[in-house]
Amino acid sequence: QVQLVESGGGVVQPGRSLRLSCVASGFTFSNYGMHWVRQAPGKGLEWVADIWYDGSNKHYADSVKGRLTISRDNSRNTLYLQMNSLRAEDTAVYYCARDGGNDYGYGIGDHWGQGTLVTVSS
Amino acid sequence: EIVLTQSPGTLSLSPGERATFSCRASQSVNSRYLAWYQQKPGQAPRLLIYGASSRATDITDRFSGSGSGTDFTLTISRLEPEDFAMYYCQQYGSSPWTFGQGTKVEIK
Repeated sequence: QVQLVESGGGVVQPGRSLRLSCVASGFTFSNYGMHWVRQAPGKGLEWVADIWYDGSNKHYADSVKGRLTISRDNSRNTLYLQMNSLRAEDTAVYYCARDGGNDYGYGIGDHWGQGTLVTVSS
Repeated sequence: EIVLTQSPGTLSLSPGERATFSCRASQSVNSRYLAWYQQKPGQAPRLLIYGASSRATDITDRFSGSGSGTDFTLTISRLEPEDFAMYYCQQYGSSPWTFGQGTKVEIK
């Protein structure tokens, strides 16, 4: 079955960096686009970034453009989110999600990981 | 950016009752590219509905979606205890993909 396992979250000071990882299993990772979606404590969902199946195209929310970078390593079945110049407002649970692709539509998350919490605080 | 507004914010109902809630878009959603997710406390979202009205794999037919353009609805025909949760709509017709702020279905 499809599994997505995030890691790399933690407490970090404002202005510092962090890299999140999402290891995928149970499907052919290199065939699917992937997303990062975040959820601030007690708040709703916010799409952060996505990447095409082959890494050739990436898109970002305006709120993170220039600071967060999505990437993937298809040989390792792993999705990444490099987070630089972190701000208090980046505090959230970060979920990776598989794109729905041909089955459900591009832009949908059809399977989600359990998330990893990033706390930006001094 | 398309802004999605969900209403009501909270719905208080009893098991067995019908739940209906709304998602309104600030501009027309391309080709009915509207999805609904369920989220329970401490859990990841789960895809329920895509294409405004199609159920995802293994989703019970108690859930149904409808609508087009700017107005969309999710209906739960008869609430089961496991249905009390948060529900989010999402549009994926126009980047950036955006979510509504959510509707909480709570036990009355």
